[in-house]
Amino acid sequence: AQSVTQPDIHITVSEGASLELRCNYSYGATPYLFWYVQSPGQGLQLLLKYFSGDTLVQGIKGFEAEFKRSQSSFNLRKPSVHWSDAAEYFCAVQGAQKLVFGQGTRLTINP
Amino acid sequence: KAGVTQTPRYLIKTRGQQVTLSCSPISGHRSVSWYQQTPGQGLQFLFEYFSETQRNKGNFPGRFSGRQFSNSRSEMNVSTLELGDSALYLCASSLASGRALKETQYFGPGTRLLVL
Repeated sequence: AQSVTQPDIHITVSEGASLELRCNYSYGATPYLFWYVQSPGQGLQLLLKYFSGDTLVQGIKGFEAEFKRSQSSFNLRKPSVHWSDAAEYFCAVQGAQKLVFGQGTRLTINP
Repeated sequence: KAGVTQTPRYLIKTRGQQVTLSCSPISGHRSVSWYQQTPGQGLQFLFEYFSETQRNKGNFPGRFSGRQFSNSRSEMNVSTLELGDSALYLCASSLASGRALKETQYFGPGTRLLVL
């Protein structure tokens, strides 16, 4: 069965600092991976996705993620965070007609 | 193109009642999925519909049901509500182009259900 682990429940970074959110997946075949962001009281917004090809994928809002098959990881990065990036971030793997999500990482930004 | 819409956005019900939530997918999208989000359990898959047929179902009791109409709009129903059903219910749509695993799901804003 597919599973996703986000080891960090809560991360705090200063505005302007770099960010890396970790995601590890378990999936028997080629994984299709996603990162979504959720602001308080809102639905999920797609940041980026990996289906195949280049292992470094670019997304919206300046985010990127790197797929590493050997480490079963799909970490999300941003070189310089903005206060508006404060939100909850979810990593997901595509299963049969469904997404399997990690528990999420809540990001707090210090001014 | 309009995004996924869900109605109502907020609901308050009492235990034992039933509730129906509605989801309109992005125009042209044929697959609709439902997820439940709670602080304790996170995001959990409820079911997925394509062409008015349920293709996949998560591990939820039979009190949770859904359907899809010919215009791809979907509804989910929860009968005999319990306190633990309080959650954010999210609907997502995708094209369902035939390459089932290479689908991107786009989410609506959710319906916040509070059961008292």
